[in-house]
Amino acid sequence: GENVEQHPSTLSVQEGDSAVIKCTYSDSASNYFPWYKQELGKRPQLIIDIRSNVGEKKDQRIAVTLNKTAKHFSLHITETQPEDSAVYFCAASRKAPRGGADGLTFGKGTHLIIQP
Amino acid sequence: DGGITQSPKYLFRKEGQNVTLSCEQNLNHDAMYWYRQDPGQGLRLIYYSQIVNDFQKGDIAEGYSVSREKKESFPLTVTSAQKNPTAFYLCASRDGQGLDTEAFFGQGTRLTVV
Repeated sequence: GENVEQHPSTLSVQEGDSAVIKCTYSDSASNYFPWYKQELGKRPQLIIDIRSNVGEKKDQRIAVTLNKTAKHFSLHITETQPEDSAVYFCAASRKAPRGGADGLTFGKGTHLIIQP
Repeated sequence: DGGITQSPKYLFRKEGQNVTLSCEQNLNHDAMYWYRQDPGQGLRLIYYSQIVNDFQKGDIAEGYSVSREKKESFPLTVTSAQKNPTAFYLCASRDGQGLDTEAFFGQGTRLTVV
């Protein structure tokens, strides 16, 4: 099965600086890599995703890069703001034995702290 | 908000009891999933269903059971065989076969053993 490793577990940056969170995956058949933001006690919400036929995707201050050869992908947040403080999860979608997807495999999360 | 609803928000279970967590979606999604979230552990897959009347075990299915009698509903039962059930449970759904589509989450149910 798929295994997703995420680093760092905690990241503290000054407001206005950039933050980078990195993930690696094990299953070369995975082809969908979303990033979720979760605030305390709330549901995870998708902030950006990338498919394996694309190397980079950007949405305003957020970007994701994917290196299929090395099997790693990263989240980049520029000009960080206090409201970016949350837990961020990377995930990979794997194929089920009978076709389709059997669910997202998640990393263990990164607690991002934006220092004022 | 989101089209996928979990109930209740908080649930307390006595030792030896079975409890059922509800998950309903009105997004017309084929695939539905149950995840368990523990502090520092991320989200771990319990069960998933890609179509009505069919479901598959995830990574931590022991002590849990599910049913998928309707497309809209995917209830999770936490049985007495689950020795450490205290956790935050999240239900999710995805469109089609779900291989490269966004997963939408419910607001979660926090289960506590008393």
